Amino acid sequence: AQRVTQPEKLLSVFKGAPVELKCNYSYSGSPELFWYVQYSRQRLQLLLRHISRESIKGFTADLNKGETSFHLKKPFAQEEDSAMYYCALSPLYGQNFVFGPGTRLSVLP
Amino acid sequence: EPEVTQTPSHQVTQMGQEVILRCVPISNHLYFYWYRQILGQKVEFLVSFYNNEISEKSEIFDDQFSVERPDGSNFTLKIRSTKLEDSAMYFCASSVTGEAFFGQGTRLTVV
Repeated sequence: AQRVTQPEKLLSVFKGAPVELKCNYSYSGSPELFWYVQYSRQRLQLLLRHISRESIKGFTADLNKGETSFHLKKPFAQEEDSAMYYCALSPLYGQNFVFGPGTRLSVLP
Repeated sequence: EPEVTQTPSHQVTQMGQEVILRCVPISNHLYFYWYRQILGQKVEFLVSFYNNEISEKSEIFDDQFSVERPDGSNFTLKIRSTKLEDSAMYFCASSVTGEAFFGQGTRLTVV
């Protein structure tokens, strides 16, 4: 069965500190992995997808197939990074996403 | 920048009533989706729609739910007889391949 887990419901860090939001998945094939972000009162928007290997807003994520993980990292958190972050899995070409429960990141001044 | 739009932003309905949630996907997109998020819970897949038919649906999407693309631009989700547990935020999304673009959501409150 397809499943995405994010163990932390809430993660609080101070501005300038490194941040890592954990994501693990279970899927029998080779899925696409994504990170979506939802800022307060805004819509879900794509932050990263593993196949593009880009760094967006200073965030990076590496797919580790051995550990079935796709952790999101940023070396220096900013206050504007405070938001809900959802890890998502797509079994086929970005369709039919399975979302994790989300982690609320709070960056303190 | 094109975006997915949903109407209404908030709908209050009585239990047992029918509701239709409306979405206008991005115009050149081919895949359309509905997701829901019950307050405090994760975003859940309901249904995907491609080439004028349902391509996949979840266990949540039972006979009370239906989707339609009536005029080539709108994409609607109908709940025939709403239950209290249908109260949630409903998100529409569309994609070509890869990135799904989400609407701002419709908050459905069943009383």
